[in-house]
Amino acid sequence: DAGVIQSPRHEVTEMGQEVTLRCKPISGHDYLFWYRQTMMRGLELLIYFNNNVPIDDSGMPEDRFSAKMPNASFSTLKIQPSEPRDSAVYFCASTPPGSGNTIYFGEGSWLTVV
Amino acid sequence: TQLLEQSPQFLSIQEGENLTVYCNSSSVFSSLQWYRQEPGEGPVLLVTVVTGGEVKKLKRLTFQFGDARKDSSLHITAAQPGDTGLYLCAELQSRGGGNKLTFGTGTQLKVEL
Repeated sequence: DAGVIQSPRHEVTEMGQEVTLRCKPISGHDYLFWYRQTMMRGLELLIYFNNNVPIDDSGMPEDRFSAKMPNASFSTLKIQPSEPRDSAVYFCASTPPGSGNTIYFGEGSWLTVV
Repeated sequence: TQLLEQSPQFLSIQEGENLTVYCNSSSVFSSLQWYRQEPGEGPVLLVTVVTGGEVKKLKRLTFQFGDARKDSSLHITAAQPGDTGLYLCAELQSRGGGNKLTFGTGTQLKVEL
């Protein structure tokens, strides 16, 4: 079975450019999470959705960040404009309904803003 | 916000040695999970502990949840190079069937031949 699929795997962009990260959760999963990982701050929850509806976006660092989930099989995390301090690995994860405790992570999108 | 501190931050050992890493919280955990993350990949769940004093074993890995549910440890026996990775503890808060994870600071383990 396919796991959580993220794209791109790696992106290098210039400061000020728009960045869009994409995620396809595991089919049938009803929760989707976006995390960011850096050496300084570790793994932080940015936002999560249930049945395509944003539930908690308190971890989104600032207005430059936005996330959408237009349908059950696709989500995007957008940064506009990007800054060097946004450089990090961004992970998407999803959870099946009813399990209560198993979260499956994608392989991450490595973002470098120069 | 729950603060999860892990120690040590870095650990480099020889194959065959034993090791223990720790996860401590400023307050009581709802339940706790341990993950391993290998380079270039996302974290993978190893175990979930719920009850104070609980001990779970996964091959050479032994996980213990403190009686007061404010700390946890992971012990690896006879470490192997394949154990190399970032070990993360995380508090799991289940809300209406969904999960919110708050991760610890992580322990980076390197096992050398």
